[in-house]
Amino acid sequence: AQSVTQLDSHVSVSEGTPVLLRCNYSSSYSPSLFWYVQHPNKGLQLLLKYTSAATLVKGINGFEAEFKKSETSFHLTKPSAHMSDAAEYFCVVTANNFGNEKLTFGTGTRLTIIP
Amino acid sequence: DAGITQSPRYKITETGRQVTLMCHQTWSHSYMFWYRQDLGHGLRLIYYSAAADITDKGEVPDGYVVSRSKTENFPLTLESATRSQTSVYFCASRTGPVAYEQYFGPGTRLTVT
Repeated sequence: AQSVTQLDSHVSVSEGTPVLLRCNYSSSYSPSLFWYVQHPNKGLQLLLKYTSAATLVKGINGFEAEFKKSETSFHLTKPSAHMSDAAEYFCVVTANNFGNEKLTFGTGTRLTIIP
Repeated sequence: DAGITQSPRYKITETGRQVTLMCHQTWSHSYMFWYRQDLGHGLRLIYYSAAADITDKGEVPDGYVVSRSKTENFPLTLESATRSQTSVYFCASRTGPVAYEQYFGPGTRLTVT
C-alpha cells in the first residue's frame, strides 16, 4: 500500500521569497515520487521526478525536491517565487509492485504568490 | 494536433442521463487512465487500460464504464449520472507499466443537476 500526505493545503509567499511545499509518503516498496503542477483550468504537468537515482532532483522552472528516506519526505522548494508559480501542486507516489504502477495523489497544495 | 485531448471540456447533464466523456491520444501510448478530481481528494483513479481491449478498475469505479477498442481512444461512460459524479475528469496516458511520466489531458468539467 502507498499513500502521500501534503502537509499544507494552502501556502502563501511573497514574490521573490523562497517556496517550500511539504510532502510525506508511505510505501511498502521502493517508491518513485513526483511533483505535478496544475495551473487554473489546465491539466497536470510534471514538474520533477525521483526514481532512485540522485536524491536531489531538479525540475522545470527552478523547482527542486529532495528525497529523504529517513524522514519519508519529498519536499518541493524554489529559491525565489515568481507570480507565474501560482498554481495547485500535487505530490504523487508510485511503487514498483511487480505489476502495473498506479499513481497515488496527495490532496494538493494551493500556492498563492503575493505581489 | 499531437497530444492528449478530451471532449467535451464542459458538460451539464441531469440526474439519470447517460453521459460519455471522450479521450484521444496521438502518441500510441499503451496505457490510458481516467481520474476524477474533487476538493479534498486530489485525483482518484477510476479505470485504466493497459492496451486495447484490456481494462481494469481503479480506486472509484462504481457508476462508470469504459471501453478501449482502439489504442488511441478511451471513452468513459456514466451509465446513469448522479450528483455525486459532479467533478472534473482527467484522462492520462503513458508508454508502459512504469510510471516515469504520465501525460494528462486538459480535463472535462461535468456538472450533474
